[in-house]
Amino acid sequence: AQSVTQPDIHITVSEGASLELRCNYSYGATPYLFWYVQSPGQGLQLLLKYFSGDTLVQGIKGFEAEFKRSQSSFNLRKPSVHWSDAAEYFCAVGAETGANNLFFGTGTRLTVIP
Amino acid sequence: SAVISQKPSRDICQRGTSLTIQCQVDSQVTMMFWYRQQPGQSLTLIATANQGSEATYESGFVIDKFPISRPNLTFSTLTVSNMSPEDSSIYLCSADRGETQYFGPGTRLLVL
Repeated sequence: AQSVTQPDIHITVSEGASLELRCNYSYGATPYLFWYVQSPGQGLQLLLKYFSGDTLVQGIKGFEAEFKRSQSSFNLRKPSVHWSDAAEYFCAVGAETGANNLFFGTGTRLTVIP
Repeated sequence: SAVISQKPSRDICQRGTSLTIQCQVDSQVTMMFWYRQQPGQSLTLIATANQGSEATYESGFVIDKFPISRPNLTFSTLTVSNMSPEDSSIYLCSADRGETQYFGPGTRLLVL
């Protein structure tokens, strides 16, 4: 069965600093991996996804993530954080057959300080 | 991608009543999903709704409590029945397009 672990419940970074949010997954086959962001009072917005191919994927808002099969990880990064990036970030894993069964991590709340 | 809207965006309800949440997608999709996000928690899948068939419910969720309709390929409703304060949550719908789920803005429900 799929599972997703986001070890960091809450991260605080200074504006302009770099960011890395961790995500580890458990899945027996090739996973489909997603990062979503939820701003306060909003729904979930897709940041990026990985299905296959290049293990470094680029997303919206300057985010990128790297799939590392050997570490079962799909960490999200951004070189310079903006105050508007403050939000909740969710990593999700789906079965190879599609996104029909998505399993979400518990989320990481990002606080950005000036 | 897909653009998804939900109505209402928020509501405050009395215990024992029911609320129907509507979800509209900007174009036809095969699969739609309903999730619950309890305060400070991650998303939990309630059910998958396919047009022309009964919804498939996840463990812990039953049709009598969360009846779902899917009358066409762009629309679905979720009803939260006989509500209690424990039903206070955000309810989100999503649609599957290109092996990716896109989410609506959510419905924030408070049950008193």
